[in-house]
Amino acid sequence: DQQVKQNSPSLSVQEGRISILNCDYTNSMFDYFLWYKKYPAEGPTFLISISSIKDKNEDGRFTVFLNKSAKHLSLHIVPSQPGDSAVYFCAAMPRLISGGSYIPTFGRGTSLIVHP
Amino acid sequence: NAGVTQTPKFQVLKTGQSMTLQCAQDMNHNSMYWYRQDPGMGLRLIYYSASEGTTDKGEVPNGYNVSRLNKREFSLRLESAAPSQTSVYFCAIQPSGLGELFFGEGSRLTVL
Repeated sequence: DQQVKQNSPSLSVQEGRISILNCDYTNSMFDYFLWYKKYPAEGPTFLISISSIKDKNEDGRFTVFLNKSAKHLSLHIVPSQPGDSAVYFCAAMPRLISGGSYIPTFGRGTSLIVHP
Repeated sequence: NAGVTQTPKFQVLKTGQSMTLQCAQDMNHNSMYWYRQDPGMGLRLIYYSASEGTTDKGEVPNGYNVSRLNKREFSLRLESAAPSQTSVYFCAIQPSGLGELFFGEGSRLTVL
């Protein structure tokens, strides 16, 4: 039973347009959410995160929105660039407490292709 | 990748052979993880270690063993490799108090 779902395996977008990647979760204990980007033959790299006390977090071209009532988050990339073409993983974890070890639960990923 | 070194990067095994994937960090973080990535399946946790000398099972531990003999190193062992263990394996570290994991570059394993 998937606790973190990325229902779109792939997404194709034109350069300059907005890319919207979606993620749903089922566990109400999840309190901290992360997005990772993965290029072929490389390890995933951390992109952006959001805590449940916020509904939006922005970092340059990347913005993550969180809708707690709907248990839904999305990653917006504006404007999209060909170099953004990668697999994007959504991850969720419970509230961080100092000294704890908190294991993120990952979605299955969405492959984004940005066409020039 | 963020001070996480995995060896080997590529390996081909025959069914029934054994091997160990090595992971070492050049920082001093307590938490270390082993994931496997398969097409359409995302990242699945095999084992993790919250501190030196402790290990716990993740989502898909069957067929694997791990060892955390010191703070720097966390190894993953396949005692009798099976074709279903063909995958890309990632080691990750997690700084204390942070949610983010930092991954190594991966080890691609093929079992024939």
